[in-house]
Amino acid sequence: DTAVSQTPKYLVTQMGNDKSIKCEQNLGHDTMYWYKQDSKKFLKIMFSYNNKELIINETVPNRFSPKSPDKAHLNLHINSLELGDSAVYFCASSQVGGVETQYFGPGTRLLVL
Amino acid sequence: KNEVEQSPQNLTAQEGEFITINCSYSVGISALHWLQQHPGGGIVSLFMLSSGKKKHGRLIATINIQEKHSSLHITASHPRDSAVYICAVPFYNTDKLIFGTGTRLQVFP
Repeated sequence: DTAVSQTPKYLVTQMGNDKSIKCEQNLGHDTMYWYKQDSKKFLKIMFSYNNKELIINETVPNRFSPKSPDKAHLNLHINSLELGDSAVYFCASSQVGGVETQYFGPGTRLLVL
Repeated sequence: KNEVEQSPQNLTAQEGEFITINCSYSVGISALHWLQQHPGGGIVSLFMLSSGKKKHGRLIATINIQEKHSSLHITASHPRDSAVYICAVPFYNTDKLIFGTGTRLQVFP
């Protein structure tokens, strides 16, 4: 039973395309996150949602749009992909917020050509 | 300057050695996270602590809130401990986790 799952695991696409990454958690958590890990392996928060409501939008370009259809799912849609979007994107969830243990998905490796 | 600093950035050790990784932070927090990122990329939460010390198997984490410093210790290190260890703090106790740059540990047999 995977606690936090992401699809796809790998995504290779051309510049200018639009793509989506899906995330689901079966832990019953209220809070979900998207993180970006760059080529230097530095993790940075992009968004957090609590019970389908956007809590954090960390100055991410408008091309990135998170969507939470219910509290178990948080999807990330990216429009007009750019080379700099190449990274590993991690979804995570926790019961409350940053002061609770976070459970990470396996990551989605995005490569924009 | 990052609000969360880790040292060392890279660490190599022989199997069996005692390992210490340090984390200092500049923001006010009530808890700190230690994470492990496997060579395959997966991230696992090791500890979340707000005071004193926590132990899980061969891993020990300590925190000194007054000094804004935490350490992660690995006793009797093993090649399977080879990973990147990352500390993270919630920014003034919000949902926003700020991550350190990570410490890459390699343990050789």
